[in-house]
Order: sequence, then C-alpha cells, then structure tokens
Amino acid sequence: EIVLTQSPATLSLSPGERATLSCGASQSVSSNYLVWYQQKPGLAPRLLIYDASTRASGIPDRFSGSGSGTDFTLTISRLEPEDFAVYYCQQYGSSPLTFGGGTKVEIK
Amino acid sequence: QVQLQESGPGLVKSSQTLSLTCTVSGDSISSGDYYWSWIRQPPGKGLEWIGFIYSSGNAYYNPSLKSRVTVSIDTSKNQFSLKVNSVTAADTAVYYCARAPAARTFDYWGQGTLVTVSS
Repeated sequence: EIVLTQSPATLSLSPGERATLSCGASQSVSSNYLVWYQQKPGLAPRLLIYDASTRASGIPDRFSGSGSGTDFTLTISRLEPEDFAVYYCQQYGSSPLTFGGGTKVEIK
Repeated sequence: QVQLQESGPGLVKSSQTLSLTCTVSGDSISSGDYYWSWIRQPPGKGLEWIGFIYSSGNAYYNPSLKSRVTVSIDTSKNQFSLKVNSVTAADTAVYYCARAPAARTFDYWGQGTLVTVSS
C-alpha cells in the first residue's frame, strides 16, 4: 500500500499569498496517477487536479499541480477567500487507492 | 447534472451491520463508463477508500476492510449499496458515495451521511 504524507499539516496564509502544499509517497506513484481534492467544512471533497497536473473541469487556473515519482506539489498562486479549506492528495497508481492526511490552509 | 444521494440509518449498534444505499441521478450506472464507489471519513480525520463496483457487478475492495464489506449494484433502480458487517466504534464516519471514472479519481460525490456506531 502506498502511504501519502502531506506537509505541512497546517498552512497559515493571507489572501493574495501563494500556497505550496506537498504530498510525498512511500513509493513511486505509477504514471503520476495523483489527484488533489479540496474539502470545505461539512461538504464533500471537490476534484481539483488529476494525473498530477491536469485541472478538472471548472477549476480556476490559480490552482496548479506538479511533480512525479514520489514528490508532488499543489500550488495556489494567489489565495482567494474561498480557497481556505483542507486539501487532500490521493493516488490511483496502485491498489488500494490511498489518500494523504490533508493540509489545512487557514487564514493568517 | 450528475447527482448522488446516500441514504440509510444514522445509528447502528455495535456488532451489527451498517447498510447504505446511493441513488444516482443524471447518469446511468449501467452505462459502463464509470465505477461507483464508497469512501468514508471519521469525524475530524482523513478519507479512506472502501471499494468500487462496476455495472457488471464486479467489485473491488480495500484489503483493510475486505473481510467485512460488500458493495452491490441494482441497475434497475440506478442504485448501489454498501454493507459493513460486525461494526465497531471505529466504523463511525461520514460515508460518501462517488462516481469514479476508470476507477481512478472521484469526480462526483454525494453529500455524505454520518453513521454512528453505538454500544
């Protein structure tokens, strides 16, 4: 099973700042099959990025994903008020599908 | 627009069986384009994939839960279901159903339903 470790656990930033979230895998993720989700309190997760760097439909271009192998990054270029949430990575390169523990982006 | 809605008891006694159903609208689960999945999230914690089912009825499970979980599909009702046997407090979670293109990502989710296991 691939274990995903997200860092930092909490990121305190102000609107307009750049956010950089990391997701590390315990072994290489096949074909860079890595996803990022955003989750707000009381709501289901929302698909942001798949295949490590492809934005899902309707996702603003301030969200970008990068990385390969065991190290992946989600970048939010300029934080908008609605971007403060918890972000999860997930791999689908091997079974079982696994999720990271999440990074909370909070308002500083 | 694709919508998924979970339904089922919000309270289950320890050692009994948790049963949930997901009703899909806006898409046919028999179309064969997608897998249909269950994911859960304990209160204040992260996400855990439980299993998938395809329109053929073939199901795939997380090994950590495989011995206690069954996912089934009813194409006539456009529904799929989850059963978890012998539940304990550790099974208390928000349970989500979701659509999974190619059994990879989860692009549409239900709103989630909290199931509490009581002693």
